Amino acid sequence: KQEVTQIPAALSVPEGENLVLNCSFTDSAIYNLQWFRQDPGKGLTSLLLIQSSQREQTSGRLNASLDKSSGRSTLYIAASQPGDSATYLCASYNFNKFYFGSGTKLNVKP
Amino acid sequence: DAGITQSPRHKVTETGTPVTLRCHQTENHRYMYWYRQDPGHGLRLIHYSYGVKDTDKGEVSDGYSVSRSKTEDFLLTLESATSSQTSVYFCAISESRDGGQFNEQFFGPGTRLTVL
Repeated sequence: KQEVTQIPAALSVPEGENLVLNCSFTDSAIYNLQWFRQDPGKGLTSLLLIQSSQREQTSGRLNASLDKSSGRSTLYIAASQPGDSATYLCASYNFNKFYFGSGTKLNVKP
Repeated sequence: DAGITQSPRHKVTETGTPVTLRCHQTENHRYMYWYRQDPGHGLRLIHYSYGVKDTDKGEVSDGYSVSRSKTEDFLLTLESATSSQTSVYFCAISESRDGGQFNEQFFGPGTRLTVL
């Protein structure tokens, strides 16, 4: 069974900092890795999806990378803003199922 | 945003009563999922569907049943609600692309259920 881990569980940074969120998974036979954002009391919003054949995807200030061989994905947020404060979750898709990490709660201080 | 709605959005019920939550999609996606999210447990899959009338159990299916009679609707039923089923319930949809090479999931807004 796939295990997905996100470290740290919480992160607090000053506004303007560049930061990296980590996601690791135990089985490298994934089809894709998806990053989500969840605001308090809300559903999950899809941010980026990286297919297994890809190394990275970019959307605005967000860049996600995937290294299947090491079982790792990172989400890079450039020039962080208070509006980026949320919980970020990663999920792998393999064995016809999605496997979620427990998330990193990000707080960007003004 | 993916066209996914959940109803009701909030519900308070009493132990022992039946409860049905509805998920409706306008995307014509094949796969639909029900998750629950609890502090300390993250997202846990309850049941999922891979087509009309085709469903399977997830990791926390005890006490829950599902039905999918149309592509667009996926119902989650708590036959006799218990306090341990107090949670936030999320519906999600997905579709395989490129011959199954990848599968992107989209979530509904959630239903907050309280069982007293």
